[in-house]
Amino acid sequence: QVQLQESGPGLVKPSETLSLTCTMSGGFISNHYWTWIRQPPGRGLEYIGYVFHSGSTDYSPSLKSRVTISIDTSKNQFSLKLSAVTAADTAVYYCAKSLRRQLDDGLDVWGQGTTVTVSS
Amino acid sequence: DIQMTQSPSSLSASVGDRVTITCRASQTIRMYLNWYQQKPGRAPKFLIYTASTLQSGVPSRFSGSGSGTDFTLTISSLQPEDFATYFCQQSYSTPLTFGGGTKVEI
Repeated sequence: QVQLQESGPGLVKPSETLSLTCTMSGGFISNHYWTWIRQPPGRGLEYIGYVFHSGSTDYSPSLKSRVTISIDTSKNQFSLKLSAVTAADTAVYYCAKSLRRQLDDGLDVWGQGTTVTVSS
Repeated sequence: DIQMTQSPSSLSASVGDRVTITCRASQTIRMYLNWYQQKPGRAPKFLIYTASTLQSGVPSRFSGSGSGTDFTLTISSLQPEDFATYFCQQSYSTPLTFGGGTKVEI
């Protein structure tokens, strides 16, 4: 069965770029939407964006100017870059997979999450 | 963006109780409503999709209903392991948006 694992630095300085990678195992990276979701401490879930296996992307309007999501199908990985971070970007970052070949049916597999703290 | 409003934000219940959580969308989302369970320090777990379809492996005491703008998640007989926070999420359009969560305390 598909498993997802986030990796990347747990501490990022203000104004720098947050970079995370999600590695998928146990399945095929094609035919699904691969998303990033974050959760600030003690708060709810926020959509960051998705990448489809073809490379097409969608980003949250509130983050669009700072976000890039990409995919490397040869490595079964997809990545998140968030530039010019501030303390407001401190959160647990999750990667997640769409149940089917569209986003309509929700996100059935999630990584365990990685905590990213923005601080000098 | 479509706003998702959950109620209540928290509730206290006993084992065996029937629990209902509601989720309202700011515009019609047809049946594109999903439910997740999250325990402290853990990733969300996928429970229900398209309003009422139970994800494989999820106990049958969980059920969902609704369409358009109003949806409910029901736990027919609360179990100790159901202590968690529950989130609804619309997948009708991007940006995907989530409700604020309902914390169920046993």
